[in-house]
Amino acid sequence: DVKVTQSSRYLVKRTGEKVFLECVQDMDHENMFWYRQDPGLGLRLIYFSYDVKMKEKGDIPEGYSVSREKKERFSLILESASTNQTSMYLCASRWRNEQFFGPGTRLTVL
Amino acid sequence: AQKVTQAQTEISVVEKEDVTLDCVYETRDTTYYLFWYKQPPSGELVFLIRRNSFDEQNEISGRYSWNFQKSTSSFNFTITASQVVDSAVYFCALSESGFQKLVFGTGTRLLVSP
Repeated sequence: DVKVTQSSRYLVKRTGEKVFLECVQDMDHENMFWYRQDPGLGLRLIYFSYDVKMKEKGDIPEGYSVSREKKERFSLILESASTNQTSMYLCASRWRNEQFFGPGTRLTVL
Repeated sequence: AQKVTQAQTEISVVEKEDVTLDCVYETRDTTYYLFWYKQPPSGELVFLIRRNSFDEQNEISGRYSWNFQKSTSSFNFTITASQVVDSAVYFCALSESGFQKLVFGTGTRLLVSP
């Protein structure tokens, strides 16, 4: 079974803090993704990565950056967290045309 | 541009009722993939089905069935004899050939009461 794990299920941070959300997959997938999920908006793509050290902006990259130093790990970085980044963050890895999702991190920015 | 519309925000049914979740998509590509995911209260997205644009056969898996109609750009999902465990948010999604990303609808929350 494909396993995608995220470092935290719940996270509370303060405005202005630098926040790291970590995602690890164990299936040697090349493609990985970060989404945020908000009520009434569904899932929206923030960034994705084709391979190590390669990244592409998604639909809503503003205020975020990513890092992919190793194939299995894809990190989402909030350089200076703001209250409008309070959301559920979901990581996924892709094999052929199927994406496998992690359990999500519910981030609250106070 | 790709777009997925799930017009039903929330549906409430009583156990054993049948329920259909609607999904309408837009794409200019002739090769694309459609998906349904389930998100139970635990939060993790669970893959239910993938369909490619060249396969319009309906699919049945237990109590679940899917109706893909290219003529109306729809990919509807029916749960027969619903159960309380079916309560979740259901997402329809689209991926075009050659593109890596999924475009999701806004989801339909299904509440099944005993």
